[in-house]
Amino acid sequence: EDQVTQSPEALRLQEGESSSLNCSYTVSGLRGLFWYRQDPGKGPEFLFTLYSAGEEKEKERLKATLTKKESFLHITAPKPEDSATYLCAVQAPKVTGGGNKLTFGTGTQLKVEL
Amino acid sequence: DGGITQSPKYLFRKEGQNVTLSCEQNLNHDAMYWYRQDPGQGLRLIYYSQIVNDFQKGDIAEGYSVSREKKESFPLTVTSAQKNPTAFYLCASSIRLAGGQYEQYFGPGTRLTVT
Repeated sequence: EDQVTQSPEALRLQEGESSSLNCSYTVSGLRGLFWYRQDPGKGPEFLFTLYSAGEEKEKERLKATLTKKESFLHITAPKPEDSATYLCAVQAPKVTGGGNKLTFGTGTQLKVEL
Repeated sequence: DGGITQSPKYLFRKEGQNVTLSCEQNLNHDAMYWYRQDPGQGLRLIYYSQIVNDFQKGDIAEGYSVSREKKESFPLTVTSAQKNPTAFYLCASSIRLAGGQYEQYFGPGTRLTVT
């Protein structure tokens, strides 16, 4: 069974204080690892998909990396507007006919303070 | 504007009543999904559909039903058989990109409260 564990559950940072969120996973044949940002009461916003170990993707202050066992979301010089819950998900083995089923972690709640 | 719309944003129902949540997308995506989100738990897949007139059960399908009569629409019915229906419901759709890669996008969600 696919499993995704995110840590820490919650993280408080001062503005400008860089840090990393962790997503460790167990899946038979990773087809993709997804990162989302979710604001309270809203749907998740797609950030990145990573497909192979060693891959990296960046968007503004966010950088996602992938190894064979885990992914990191690095946040450089965060601002208060980066406060949100960050969700990680892995893509299940190929479903006949296409489509992708995702298994989600419980998220890291990030709070960036002035 | 392309996107996924869910309505209503908030829904209140009495126990024992069936309720249908709407999900529409104009992204021309083939696959659509319904997830449920509860505090402290990851999103859990209820149903998914890869093409019109076809859908499959996800991990927690009991007490739910869906239909996919049009590519752009994937309504979810929460029946009275669902024991704990109060939750935040999220609809998603996905696109297959070049090279077999996928991206999955979410709607804004419907918060259902059953009393």
